[in-house]
Amino acid sequence: DAGVIQSPRHEVTEMGQEVTLRCKPISGHDYLFWYRQTMMRGLELLIYFNNNVPIDDSGMPEDRFSAKMPNASFSTLKIQPSEPRDSAVYFCASSLGGLTLHFGNGTRLTVT
Amino acid sequence: AQSVTQPDIHITVSEGASLELRCNYSYGATPYLFWYVQSPGQGLQLLLKYFSGDTLVQGIKGFEAEFKRSQSSFNLRKPSVHWSDAAEYFCAVGEPAGNKLTFGGGTRVLVKP
Repeated sequence: DAGVIQSPRHEVTEMGQEVTLRCKPISGHDYLFWYRQTMMRGLELLIYFNNNVPIDDSGMPEDRFSAKMPNASFSTLKIQPSEPRDSAVYFCASSLGGLTLHFGNGTRLTVT
Repeated sequence: AQSVTQPDIHITVSEGASLELRCNYSYGATPYLFWYVQSPGQGLQLLLKYFSGDTLVQGIKGFEAEFKRSQSSFNLRKPSVHWSDAAEYFCAVGEPAGNKLTFGGGTRVLVKP
């Protein structure tokens, strides 16, 4: 099993630029989660999907953040425009049937 | 709303010594409980989980955890730590009827030779 695959592993961008983070969940999993990890706030759930449909996006911090899941094997998290306070590690996780999450290795985003 | 508290931010333990990490949760009923481990630069890996039944749960890498309803706790233990156990450990709680996990702030474990 390949596990959850995230790309890129590292992203450095300038303030105001658009950033797109990508995730491929484990094949057959029906839930997909996006988390953000920072020193100050720890792990925060941003949004999750069930069968490609967004279920809860209450954790998305602002309208600058958007997430899509066009099919069962791919999801994106987009930040436009990016700001320095968006610097964090972004994790994608997937699960079969709910709460037992399998995490990717994360994307470390730095916005200068 | 559910919440999780990990009282210890850092713990230093000697290799071969025992380890116990504390986790307290707030939830109205019996929640689903998890422990994850995160090595530097890596994602979170599931160590063990509790849904129901036997309150002593065995996990991977020699870890175990005990659910104590009266204390709202789910502490993680390992009898003898190895240098490779140095990592950050996260406790998490989930609602049986929901699909959202709430994570604690994490405990960073340092292992002395």
